[in-house]
This record gives sequence, C-alpha cells and structure tokens, in this order.
Amino acid sequence: AQSVTQLGSHVSVSEGALVLLRCNYSSSVPPYLFWYVQYPNQGLQLLLKYTSAATLVKGINGFEAEFKKSETSFHLTKPSAHMSDAAEYFCAVRSSNDYKLSFGAGTTVTVRA
Amino acid sequence: DAGITQSPRHKVTETGTPVTLRCHQTENHRYMYWYRQDPGHGLRLIHYSYGVKDTDKGEVSDGYSVSRSKTEDFLLTLESATSSQTSVYFCAIRGLEDTQYFGPGTRLTVL
Repeated sequence: AQSVTQLGSHVSVSEGALVLLRCNYSSSVPPYLFWYVQYPNQGLQLLLKYTSAATLVKGINGFEAEFKKSETSFHLTKPSAHMSDAAEYFCAVRSSNDYKLSFGAGTTVTVRA
Repeated sequence: DAGITQSPRHKVTETGTPVTLRCHQTENHRYMYWYRQDPGHGLRLIHYSYGVKDTDKGEVSDGYSVSRSKTEDFLLTLESATSSQTSVYFCAIRGLEDTQYFGPGTRLTVL
C-alpha cells in the first residue's frame, strides 16, 4: 500500500518569494508521483508528475518538483510566487502495479502582496 | 479538459433520501473513479470502474454503490443519505500516460 504525507496544511508566502511545499511518500514498489492544484470552487488540475524518468520534473505555471528516493520525498517549488498561485495543492502517489491514487491532505497556499 | 461533466453540480437533500450523482465523459476512457473531498483528508477513493459493468471498491465505499452500464457514464448512488456524506464529490478518468483527470465536482449537503 502507498500513502502520502504533506507537511503543513497552510503556507503563507509573500509575492515574489520562494514557494516550497513538502510531500513525503511511502510505497512498497516504485511510485508514480503527482502534484495537483485546486483553485476555489474548481476541480483538480495536474501540475506535474514523476514517472521514473528524470528526477527533476517541470510542470505548468513555473512549478517544479524533485524526486528524491533516499528521502522518499517529492517537494514542490516555485522560485517566485504570484498572487495567482493562491490555491490548494495536493500530492498524490500511485504504485506502479495499479491505477489508484492516494492523496495527501492538501496544503493551502496564501500569497501576500 | 478531459471532457468530464458532473451533474448535478450542487444538491441539498435530507437524511434518509436516495441520491444519485452522474459522471459523464466524452472520450471513451476505460477507467473512471469517484472520490470524496473533505477538509483535512484530501481526496479519498470511493469506487472505481475498469470497464462497463466492472467496478471495485475504494477505501471509503461503505454507504455508496456505483453502476456503469455505458462507457461514458459512471453513476454514484447513496442509497440512504446521511449527514456524514456531506462532501464534495469528484469524478476522474484515467487518461494519457495513466494520469487521472478530474471533473468539476458536485457539492452535496445532507441535512
């Protein structure tokens, strides 16, 4: 079975500052890892995914994440926050032998002007 | 946009009444999923389908049933709604490169 832990349910950053959202996973087999973003009153939109190719994954809207097997982590970063980045972010893991996703509890990002 | 619609988008119902939520997709995807989203829990899988009339349980399936008689439609039924089933429900499909894409959600309130 696989699971995901997102550290910090709320993150507040200043506009232009680094955004860092933490995700740690557990999986008994090589994982597939995802970050999704949810804007208010909307569905989830895929930001990026790791599928065992490059360990540094670039996504949409300037976000990227690095897969670190030794740390079982897949942290999401963006060098410079924009007001439009205010949303809830979810990390998810899927094991390589089934198609079910397990989600973290989510991290809400607030961007201060 | 993976061509997923959900209906209704909002529903208020009373305890003990049956409720059916519909997920419709236009791109002939084989796998479809129902999740519920609650604060502090992220999204949790209720049921999923891997083909017409082929379904299986997720981690929070108690109190829910599903049906899939056509590729494009995946129905979630609450036989007798309870207040604990107040939630936002999302449908998803498995698309390109085994990635899940989500519908807009249905907000259900059980009074």
